[in-house]
Amino acid sequence: GNSVTQMEGPVTLSEEAFLTINCTYTATGYPSLFWYVQYPGEGLQLLLKATKADDKGSNKGFEATYRKETTSFHLEKGSVQVSDSAVYFCALSVLNSGYSTLTFGKGTMLLVSP
Amino acid sequence: GAGVSQSPSNKVTEKGKDVELRCDPISGHTALYWYRQSLGQGLEFLIYFQGNSAPDKSGLPSDRFSAERTGGSVSTLTIQRTQQEDSAVYLCASTRNWGLNTEAFFGQGTRLTVV
Repeated sequence: GNSVTQMEGPVTLSEEAFLTINCTYTATGYPSLFWYVQYPGEGLQLLLKATKADDKGSNKGFEATYRKETTSFHLEKGSVQVSDSAVYFCALSVLNSGYSTLTFGKGTMLLVSP
Repeated sequence: GAGVSQSPSNKVTEKGKDVELRCDPISGHTALYWYRQSLGQGLEFLIYFQGNSAPDKSGLPSDRFSAERTGGSVSTLTIQRTQQEDSAVYLCASTRNWGLNTEAFFGQGTRLTVV
């Protein structure tokens, strides 16, 4: 089956620190990979995505590289801000019988202090 | 509409009662998904609709859960004889089509509390 494993949180950082949130996956087939973010009081929204091996998705200073050999899609940011405090979800999508569904990890809460 | 709309935003119900949760997807989006978000459990897939049909109901936790979609638009998730373990945030998402790389747009969710 399909599954996504993320590092457990919360991850607590000071402003301007470097961020890594690990994500690994198992999939039947060739997945597309996503990071979604849920800010406090808001719905989930797409942060970035990558659709094939070695692709790098990027948005708002966040990056993640699709690593097929290690089945990973780690999220990184060079300098976090207080406004980045949120829950981050890694997800994959695989075609199955002609349609695709998103499989999510459990989410990692990020807390950034000034 | 401008985004995915879910109602009610909060629902408190007594154990054993039935509840209906509504999702109004983005206009023109053919695919619709229901997920359940429980504390510490991430997002649990419940059911997927392509148009009005549901090719994948594998995530529904029990036969107390059912969902329908009419007119290729609004969907309702019904939970019969609610139990305390049904308490969670129920999220709806829609996508333009069933494509592999299509972005999913989420509603704000319905927080269900069974007392």
